[in-house]
Amino acid sequence: DVKVTQSSRYLVKRTGEKVFLECVQDMDHENMFWYRQDPGLGLRLIYFSYDVKMKEKGDIPEGYSVSREKKERFSLILESASTNQTSMYLCASSFHRGLGEKLFFGSGTQLSVL
Amino acid sequence: GNSVTQMEGPVTLSEEAFLTINCTYTATGYPSLFWYVQYPGEGLQLLLKATKADDKGSNKGFEATYRKETTSFHLEKGSVQVSDSAVYFCALSVLPSGGYQKVTFGIGTKLQVIP
Repeated sequence: DVKVTQSSRYLVKRTGEKVFLECVQDMDHENMFWYRQDPGLGLRLIYFSYDVKMKEKGDIPEGYSVSREKKERFSLILESASTNQTSMYLCASSFHRGLGEKLFFGSGTQLSVL
Repeated sequence: GNSVTQMEGPVTLSEEAFLTINCTYTATGYPSLFWYVQYPGEGLQLLLKATKADDKGSNKGFEATYRKETTSFHLEKGSVQVSDSAVYFCALSVLPSGGYQKVTFGIGTKLQVIP
């Protein structure tokens, strides 16, 4: 069965810390995505990657960076965490980049920045 | 730009009631339309999709029809169960000139079904 695994379910960090969120997929998918989910705002795309070492900015990339050194792994990095980055972070992947492609999601990481 | 509009809820129904969750969209080009569902403590999973006008997506008793004339993709189920309690996200995808599918989600509608 298809699987997207996020390394932590809950994470608590302090303001100013560097934070790494890890995501691994086992489906040999080309594309991987990072979203954040906030009440009343739905899902917003932070970054996505369509190939190893490639990345594209989404709608809200400020304060974030990403790394994709291997096809199966996509990391989200908060260079200096701030309280407004407290959120649920969802990783997703898809096989192809075409129209109508299904996204497969991980269970999410609830990040609290204190 | 592209956008999806749906009510946030919560929508509270009794078991076996009829469900409608409205979804309207604005998009450039010709989007594909989706409903994703998020059960408590889990990520989103695809419930159904439609890729062209008048297509009907269906799964697990849920249905939605792609209405281009009203730019809508309303989700319906004839008889809900307690196990349908979840958050439902309407979404659209387009293929910009860059060649990568761009997915836009609505805010999600929370459904609570009571016995």
